[in-house]
Amino acid sequence: QKEVEQNSGPLSVPEGAIASLNCTYSDRGSQSFFWYRQYSGKSPELIMFIYSNGDKEDGRFTAQLNKASQYVSLLIRDSQPSDSATYLCAEHTGGFKTIFGAGTRLFVKA
Amino acid sequence: DVKVTQSSRYLVKRTGEKVFLECVQDMDHENMFWYRQDPGLGLRLIYFSYDVKMKEKGDIPEGYSVSREKKERFSLILESASTNQTSMYLCASRGTGTGRSPLHFGNGTRLTVT
Repeated sequence: QKEVEQNSGPLSVPEGAIASLNCTYSDRGSQSFFWYRQYSGKSPELIMFIYSNGDKEDGRFTAQLNKASQYVSLLIRDSQPSDSATYLCAEHTGGFKTIFGAGTRLFVKA
Repeated sequence: DVKVTQSSRYLVKRTGEKVFLECVQDMDHENMFWYRQDPGLGLRLIYFSYDVKMKEKGDIPEGYSVSREKKERFSLILESASTNQTSMYLCASRGTGTGRSPLHFGNGTRLTVT
């Protein structure tokens, strides 16, 4: 059974700090990984995707992929209270399915 | 921007009723999905469709069926609603190049079965 594991949190960081969200996956053949943000009562929205080893930056967000260690992370620099949400790590398999982690709740304190 | 529209934001139904949840996407995506999301259980795939009239079971298909008569529309049917189907239901679509195309979600339907 392919799995994506995330710490459920909550992860609490002060405003302006770096928030680090981590995710591990079980399938060594996995190719593509996505981070979605979900505000309470809302649907998930795409933050970033990554499929190559290394770092990918987009504004305040950096996604990191390490295929040898089978982990994916999301760094949020200069965290803002508006970043407070649940962050879902997802793996798109070679077929049609997406496997989601249970999500990490992030709380940014003003 | 891709728009995925779910017909109802909130729905209250009685046990035993037949319930239809509708989803429409406007980006000509081949792939459409129905998930349910429950606290502590995350997102679970109910059914998906990769083409008109094609459907595949997801991880939790029991008690549900789907219909895809047109490319843009994917319906989820609860044949006989039960209280354990009270949940948030999320429809999503995705284009080709499935490995690198993100899911685009609708706003969700919060269904309560009493």
